[in-house]
Amino acid sequence: QKEVEQNSGPLSVPEGAIASLNCTYSDRGSQSFFWYRQYSGKSPELIMFIYSNGDKEDGRFTAQLNKASQYVSLLIRDSQPSDSATYLCAVNLGSGGYQKVTFGTGTKLQVIP
Amino acid sequence: KAGVTQTPRYLIKTRGQQVTLSCSPISGHRSVSWYQQTPGQGLQFLFEYFSETQRNKGNFPGRFSGRQFSNSRSEMNVSTLELGDSALYLCASNSGLGHNEQFFGPGTRLTVL
Repeated sequence: QKEVEQNSGPLSVPEGAIASLNCTYSDRGSQSFFWYRQYSGKSPELIMFIYSNGDKEDGRFTAQLNKASQYVSLLIRDSQPSDSATYLCAVNLGSGGYQKVTFGTGTKLQVIP
Repeated sequence: KAGVTQTPRYLIKTRGQQVTLSCSPISGHRSVSWYQQTPGQGLQFLFEYFSETQRNKGNFPGRFSGRQFSNSRSEMNVSTLELGDSALYLCASNSGLGHNEQFFGPGTRLTVL
């Protein structure tokens, strides 16, 4: 079983719809969870992080964490063509500044105008 | 505040050569992580440095090495290059605060011929 799993997609949604991206992880000791957006040919850009169960909202983005079920999700409301990118889920097992980050392979999102 | 810088941006080498990549983290960040990204494997963790010490290492052969200097700048070296080393090499500057967000540089695209 992979440590961090994501559906590779592509996930196609029409412009204005909600895009839902999911990620599961295997290590119950994981502390922090991150979502990165990566445009083709570019480096990953941090868009959200979450470490407590529940929802965290930032603009059009909402991260959801359920530690009991070991999944984290990212919702993008009012999807725009500019949201078309690969979204990487990352899980940090470390704490207190210590890094042990594992990335999923990413979900490719396509927003259709 | 300046972001993460990586040099060079592009490199073409031949098998058997060696290469050195450089990364300067965000001012004030003392931890740097290196990743290899390939289409098939996604983002793979290479190593993490904090205050000139390697704190964590991924599952890569000894041909991959790194170091960090007192000004937090980091280098990674790959010796005896193989075709499979062709990849995007990413450096992440780690905040070391809270849940330790990572901010990526633009990457170095290495092509081994």
